[in-house]
Amino acid sequence: QSVLTQPPSASGTPGQRVTISCSGSSSNIGSNTVNWYQQLPGTAPKLLIYNNDQRPSGVPDRFSGSKSGTSASLGISGLQSEDEADYYCAAWDDSLKGHVLFGGGTRLTVL
Amino acid sequence: QIALKESGPSLVKPTQTLTLTCTFSGFSLNTRGVSVGWIRQPPGKALDWLALIFWNDDKRYSPSLKSRLSITRDTSKNQVVLTMTNMDPVDTATYYCAHKYDSSSGFDSWGQGTLVTVSS
Repeated sequence: QSVLTQPPSASGTPGQRVTISCSGSSSNIGSNTVNWYQQLPGTAPKLLIYNNDQRPSGVPDRFSGSKSGTSASLGISGLQSEDEADYYCAAWDDSLKGHVLFGGGTRLTVL
Repeated sequence: QIALKESGPSLVKPTQTLTLTCTFSGFSLNTRGVSVGWIRQPPGKALDWLALIFWNDDKRYSPSLKSRLSITRDTSKNQVVLTMTNMDPVDTATYYCAHKYDSSSGFDSWGQGTLVTVSS
């Protein structure tokens, strides 16, 4: 069971905006930055958001990230069929000498 | 252009030790802040972080797997090696290595992954 909690599923219709949440604690999200990954079926994960709200080069500005306290969110606006994928949040955790945590993942379905 | 590629056995028997090699190009693991990590994904399940090795040879491990894991680097060969002892069928997964350029960045480049099946 992941320490970073995500909803297992989310859905939306083309053009809609969807939000995926990631809930943690003071030792991880509360004191470190959050990253988000997109994993299309059968492929390796791809970095989507880093440092809470920064987009790597090439990631459309339809994708946005935010963090407040011990929670973070990924927003996807203007939903497209190619956004159908699994999304994972991740953060460093300061406990036990420090380690990386991934959320349990959210499967996004574009209806 | 950063590239990483995992290599190792596709099949291991229960109780055996798994050794995986990540061969990379386009960066140096001697560069301050850079690290390389291993992440696995059982079929149909979530990503599971395993280990991280830093530019200064500092290492971090998943608390739940720490006793079974070892991560080392060979900077002359541009390789990072992960060993996992006492393999079990539940360790069947695709194993990825990935690059991180500093502490606040995510894993910005990933290998294609290698599927390891644990079965007798």
